Amino acid sequence: EPEVTQTPSHQVTQMGQEVILRCVPISNHLYFYWYRQILGQKVEFLVSFYNNEISEKSEIFDDQFSVERPDGSNFTLKIRSTKLEDSAMYFCANLPYEQYFGPGTRLTVT
Amino acid sequence: AQTVTQSQPEMSVQEAETVTLSCTYDTSESDYYLFWYKQPPSRQMILVIRQEAYKQQNATENRFSVNFQKAAKSFSLKISDSQLGDAAMYFCAYRITHRNSGNTPLVFGKGTRLSVIA
Repeated sequence: EPEVTQTPSHQVTQMGQEVILRCVPISNHLYFYWYRQILGQKVEFLVSFYNNEISEKSEIFDDQFSVERPDGSNFTLKIRSTKLEDSAMYFCANLPYEQYFGPGTRLTVT
Repeated sequence: AQTVTQSQPEMSVQEAETVTLSCTYDTSESDYYLFWYKQPPSRQMILVIRQEAYKQQNATENRFSVNFQKAAKSFSLKISDSQLGDAAMYFCAYRITHRNSGNTPLVFGKGTRLSVIA
């Protein structure tokens, strides 16, 4: 069964630093999503991406966040200046095939 | 706005017994999907079961089944013959289905932590 992969599995960064989280989605699926889960809380939608542009974004997805598909396969989420409250698990997903969540990147901001 | 409510923060079940996890949702839409996801300690999100709102028949996947009550906006998950490996967080989720677009994000509940007692 095809898989969505994410790198790194764990990222530790200092407050104010930029981080880039990477996802390799299933290539023939059209919609790509990023979700966030703060420890102990529910999973929240960040942004969806279709046809190389943002399709929808939540209020969480402010100017500090950006998404790109730099080389037609990888799919990145960038946080420009990390804050302590950005510490969370970040999941990418290929939807509407709901079983295809990536394993997540655990981001720790110190 | 669509909301998903899981009223049981924690549940426990004896091994081999049956447990039911509750979920209610609020929507004005008539066409949507409902899901249960399992999140073990690895924090991977694993799809357990899916229900299309237009289907009256409750979805079943091996030991997992749902009780979908559309009028009551209720979507409970029943786990039969519980196993130690079923211990995890379980999230109920909802997504609108648009006829010409699959581009609708999932809305999740806060989760229920299930413990399985040997």
